[in-house]
Amino acid sequence: AQSVSQHNHHVILSEAASLELGCNYSYGGTVNLFWYVQYPGQHLQLLLKYFSGDPLVKGIKGFEAEFIKSKFSFNLRKPSVQWSDTAEYFCALYTGRRALTFGSGTRLQVQP
Amino acid sequence: DVKVTQSSRYLVKRTGEKVFLECVQDMDHENMFWYRQDPGLGLRLIYFSYDVKMKEKGDIPEGYSVSREKKERFSLILESASTNQTSMYLCASSIQGASTDTQYFGPGTRLTVL
Repeated sequence: AQSVSQHNHHVILSEAASLELGCNYSYGGTVNLFWYVQYPGQHLQLLLKYFSGDPLVKGIKGFEAEFIKSKFSFNLRKPSVQWSDTAEYFCALYTGRRALTFGSGTRLQVQP
Repeated sequence: DVKVTQSSRYLVKRTGEKVFLECVQDMDHENMFWYRQDPGLGLRLIYFSYDVKMKEKGDIPEGYSVSREKKERFSLILESASTNQTSMYLCASSIQGASTDTQYFGPGTRLTVL
């Protein structure tokens, strides 16, 4: 069965610091990978997604993620975080089963 | 803009009550999903539906059932609510057959079972 691991449960950064959130998955076949974000009091929304092609994917608000197949990883990065990036971030995996498998989430707190 | 709405933002029920959570999407999506979100556990799939009257169990279906009588509406039913079903419930929808499977989420219903 497939699974997604997010090892950073709670990350605290100062504004302008660089961000990297880890995501590792377990599945032997073709995958599609997603990062979703949930800002306080708001809906879960898509940040970026990978299906095929260029393993470096750019999303909204300056976020990017790199798919490294050999490491089964899809880490999320941002060179300089802002206070408004405070949110919970979820990595998710799609394997063709029609439903996503989510990681446990990483709560990011950005201090001004 | 895709819109997924859920009938209640907050709900308080007593143990043993039958609870209905409603979800409606306005984008003619074939797939609809129910998840529960718990701190430290992320989102876990309860049930999903890929067509009217069709349903499949997710990872944690015990204690829940679903109903999809119309394409736009997907209901989650707790036959006899228990305190361990206190959680945030999220509904989502997506287009069928798309390998992208981008899911669009509703605002969530925070259910407390006393």
